This record gives sequence, C-alpha cells and structure tokens, in this order.
Amino acid sequence: AQSVTQLDSQVPVFEEAPVELRCNYSSSVSVYLFWYVQYPNQGLQLLLKYLSGSTLVKGINGFEAEFNKSQTSFHLRKPSVHISDTAEYFCAVTPPKGRRALTFGSGTRLQVQP
Amino acid sequence: GAVVSQHPSRVICKSGTSVKIECRSLDFQATTMFWYRQFPKQSLMLMATSNEGSKATYEQGVEKDKFLINHASLTLSTLTVTSAHPEDSSFYICSAPSGLAGHSSYNEQFFGPGTRLTVL
Repeated sequence: AQSVTQLDSQVPVFEEAPVELRCNYSSSVSVYLFWYVQYPNQGLQLLLKYLSGSTLVKGINGFEAEFNKSQTSFHLRKPSVHISDTAEYFCAVTPPKGRRALTFGSGTRLQVQP
Repeated sequence: GAVVSQHPSRVICKSGTSVKIECRSLDFQATTMFWYRQFPKQSLMLMATSNEGSKATYEQGVEKDKFLINHASLTLSTLTVTSAHPEDSSFYICSAPSGLAGHSSYNEQFFGPGTRLTVL
C-alpha cells in the first residue's frame, strides 16, 4: 500500500515570489509520482510526472519537481508564481504494475497574493 | 492529450432519489475507469474501479449497492447513486488511464471535470 503526505495544507505567497509545495510518500514498492492541479469546481490537470530517469522533471506552467528517493520526496517548485497559479495542488502516486488507481495526498492550497 | 467528459456537471436532487453520472473517454478506449469522491476542501478518495465486461471493484467501506457502477462500453462508465441522502452530497470525479502496457503513458490518468451532487 502507498500513502502520500502533503505537509502544508495552505501556502500563501506573493506574486512573483518562488514557491515550494512539499510532498512525501511511503511505499513498499517503487512508484510513479505525479502532481495535479485543481481549479475550483473542476477536474484535475496533470502538471508533471516522474516515471524514471532524470530526477528533475519539468512540467507545464513553469513548474518543476525533484524526485528524491532517499528522502522519499517529490517537492514541487516554481521560481516565480502568478495570480493565476492560485489553486489546489495534489501529489499522487501509483505503482508501476497492477492496478493503476492513484493514491492522493491531502492537497495544498496555493494562494497567490498581489 | 486524451479527453474525459462527465455528465452532468452539476445535479441537485431530493433525498431518496437516484442519480446517474456518466463518464466518457472521448478519443480513446478505456477498459478501466476509476471513480473518486471528493468532499469539500479534502483530497480525492478512490471509490471503485470500473471494469469493462466485468464487475466493478469497490474500495473498503464503499457500499456497492449504494453506488452502482456499470461499464457499458469501452468508452462509457456510469455511476448511479441510489436512494441518495444529504451525506452523499459530494464532488464525484472519474478518470481513465490511457496508453498501452509497457508504454510510458500507461500509468497516466485523465480526469473528467467532475460532477457536483447536492442532495436536499
């Protein structure tokens, strides 16, 4: 079984400032890792994913994340945020084989202030 | 990328009625679809796995007689909330994985826009 912990329920940040959203996971097997963004009353949009290879992955909208196996972390970063980045962000994992359902973290609300 | 639609986007119903939510994969076939439930300001919790041609697999604690799932075709799964009650009010989201086994996109899921159910 897998579990995902997002340490911050809310992250307020000023526009054009950098931001990091933290994600740690627990799993007895290797996993694929994902970050999704959810705007109010909408479904989820994939920001980026780590399957294998380079531990630094780049996604859409200027976001990137780094997989750290020793620390079982997959933190999301953006060097300069915009008002439009205000949303809920979810970290998720799934095992490479077998059922492909995602296990989600509790989410982090990114609030970008002018 | 692949597109998943849900219908309706929003539904309000009276307690005791049944509500059907449709999830369609528009440009790809999905032998498996997932149904999630999201309470306000909370994460998504997997309810069940919908399997084309066989019975759905429900997560622990999810009543299969309450939440009926039918995977009618390779592009359509439906979730019926039977005898809905106010505590069933939630945001229901479906997803479908795309890609072939062994392909890098195999574990990538595409989410529908969600259905907001309000039971009065």
